[in-house]
Amino acid sequence: DQQVKQNSPSLSVQEGRISILNCDYTNSMFDYFLWYKKYPAEGPTFLISISSIKDKNEDGRFTVFLNKSAKHLSLHIVPSQPGDSAVYFCAAIPANAGGTSYGKLTFGQGTILTVHP
Amino acid sequence: DTEVTQTPKHLVMGMTNKKSLKCEQHMGHRAMYWYKQKAKKPPELMFVYSYEKLSINESVPSRFSPECPNSSLLNLHLHALQPEDSALYLCASSQVGLAWDTQYFGPGTRLTVL
Repeated sequence: DQQVKQNSPSLSVQEGRISILNCDYTNSMFDYFLWYKKYPAEGPTFLISISSIKDKNEDGRFTVFLNKSAKHLSLHIVPSQPGDSAVYFCAAIPANAGGTSYGKLTFGQGTILTVHP
Repeated sequence: DTEVTQTPKHLVMGMTNKKSLKCEQHMGHRAMYWYKQKAKKPPELMFVYSYEKLSINESVPSRFSPECPNSSLLNLHLHALQPEDSALYLCASSQVGLAWDTQYFGPGTRLTVL
């Protein structure tokens, strides 16, 4: 049962254009969402996060949008650069009634982003 | 500094061997994690330590034995592994382990079980 889904295994974008990576989730207990980037032979690198009380969070070229009613989030990268080529993982954490969940990250399958010069 | 280090980088072991993976962070984080990642799959949580106590064990087989000797170190002891345990083992840390703490990952140990 995949609770976090990234339905596009890969995405190819021209340098300078916008990259949009999508993620859907099924668990309504998820309260906090993160995007990680991963290069081969390296661990995931944190990019940006969003709490369920917000619908948008921006950090430089990266913006994450959250649509709670649709259980959907997306990561926008503008402008895309060749160095952005990597695997992007969406991840989610549930919060229990006490507000703690000991960081039980659930990852999506990942989307391979390729940015062409 | 958001560095989590892991040793060794690569490990090859037989099914009867005993080996250990090490993870270290000096960010003052009090929560540390072990994840397992198989090829073309997302990372899957194995264990969570919070304030040096085991908080979560995701039903991991007993041939994997975690240990947190102090707040900076996390070990994963391996014994009698199976070939299907071959994977990338990732360590992560976060401030205290709350839902909104960002987890910072190490580069991983690539384990091959023969």
